[in-house]
Amino acid sequence: EAGVTQFPSHSVIEKGQTVTLRCDPISGHDNLYWYRRVMGKEIKFLLHFVKESKQDESGMPNNRFLAERTGGTYSTLKVQPAELEDSGVYFCASSQQLASTDTQYFGPGTRLTVL
Amino acid sequence: KQEVTQIPAALSVPEGENLVLNCSFTDSAIYNLQWFRQDPGKGLTSLLLIQSSQREQTSGRLNASLDKSSGRSTLYIAASQPGDSATYLCAVLSGYSTLTFGKGTMLLVSP
Repeated sequence: EAGVTQFPSHSVIEKGQTVTLRCDPISGHDNLYWYRRVMGKEIKFLLHFVKESKQDESGMPNNRFLAERTGGTYSTLKVQPAELEDSGVYFCASSQQLASTDTQYFGPGTRLTVL
Repeated sequence: KQEVTQIPAALSVPEGENLVLNCSFTDSAIYNLQWFRQDPGKGLTSLLLIQSSQREQTSGRLNASLDKSSGRSTLYIAASQPGDSATYLCAVLSGYSTLTFGKGTMLLVSP
């Protein structure tokens, strides 16, 4: 069974540009989560999808971040326009059941560098 | 606001030693606690998940305990091996879907 995959693995962009990160969850997992780790800080929750609906987006830092999950399969996280402080590693995770009863399976992350 | 602290930040031990990693959290109203392992450039691998009603979980050489009332968890690794070298992360689920992570403990096991 394939795990959670993320694309790209690395992205280097200029401040003000747009970047779109993609996450493919484990097949059959309705729950999809985005997290990020900025330099020197702990991993922080961004948002949670149940199928195509945003269940919790309390961790989204500001309106420059837009997450979508069309059709309840893969998800994209767009940053527009990117700022220097957006640099970090963006992780995606998925689970079959809610996180309160099931393990979240994490992808390898996308390392974003904004210059 | 939930905060998770892990001690020590880094640990270096010779192969064969037993070791304990510590995790503390400020809000005891949690659904579960997970220990993860992260290898350089890789994602997080779940090691053990302890539900709030449980006291401990074991998997092979790993044993995790949970004392919810005092806001503490420990990860015990028996007979450490060089392959155990990685960053170990503690995370608590205190919201509907929000995992709150500690900064991790970087473990190095030397042959």
